[in-house]
Amino acid sequence: TQLLEQSPQFLSIQEGENLTVYCNSSSVFSSLQWYRQEPGEGPVLLVTVVTGGEVKKLKRLTFQFGDARKDSSLHITAAQPGDTGLYLCAGASAGGTSYGKLTFGQGTILTVHP
Amino acid sequence: GAGVSQSPSNKVTEKGKDVELRCDPISGHTALYWYRQSLGQGLEFLIYFQGNSAPDKSGLPSDRFSAERTGGSVSTLTIQRTQQEDSAVYLCASSLVGTANTGELFFGEGSRLTVL
Repeated sequence: TQLLEQSPQFLSIQEGENLTVYCNSSSVFSSLQWYRQEPGEGPVLLVTVVTGGEVKKLKRLTFQFGDARKDSSLHITAAQPGDTGLYLCAGASAGGTSYGKLTFGQGTILTVHP
Repeated sequence: GAGVSQSPSNKVTEKGKDVELRCDPISGHTALYWYRQSLGQGLEFLIYFQGNSAPDKSGLPSDRFSAERTGGSVSTLTIQRTQQEDSAVYLCASSLVGTANTGELFFGEGSRLTVL
């Protein structure tokens, strides 16, 4: 069974601060996705990283996939109240499996105070 | 609408009753997934459909849970003899392809089930 450990579980910060969310596993993933979910809605994809060592930037968000494709991080610069939400990492199994089973982390609840 | 549609959005039922949750995926998406989410937590995989077949049912918690998909479109998740521990948000997602290697999952808003 592949597990994704996401940390921290809760993060409460002031507007303008920087933060990093971590997603770690002992398993190798073929790709890793980050989703953001707001209350009462389904998760929405932010980014997919595929190559070990890959770094992707989405405005103030920077995503990194570890060289060994076992871990990932999400860094937010100058957080804003609009960044508040549940952030989820999800890994796709490596190997020959051709179905769409994503393993999700436990999520990080981010609250950015004005 | 163009998104994944789920119904009901909220369901309150008594312990021991059966419930059916419906998912209408994005038109043309061949893959359909059911996940379960407890309050503020990550998503627990339940079942995956490719077309009308379910190559992976490994996440269904017990034989009280079943799901079907007809016409390669609408899916129904049925929970028989509901228990209080079944209370959660049930999320449905669809995608264009049957692999999550690079495919994006599009989620519905979920069906919140409360078992009294």
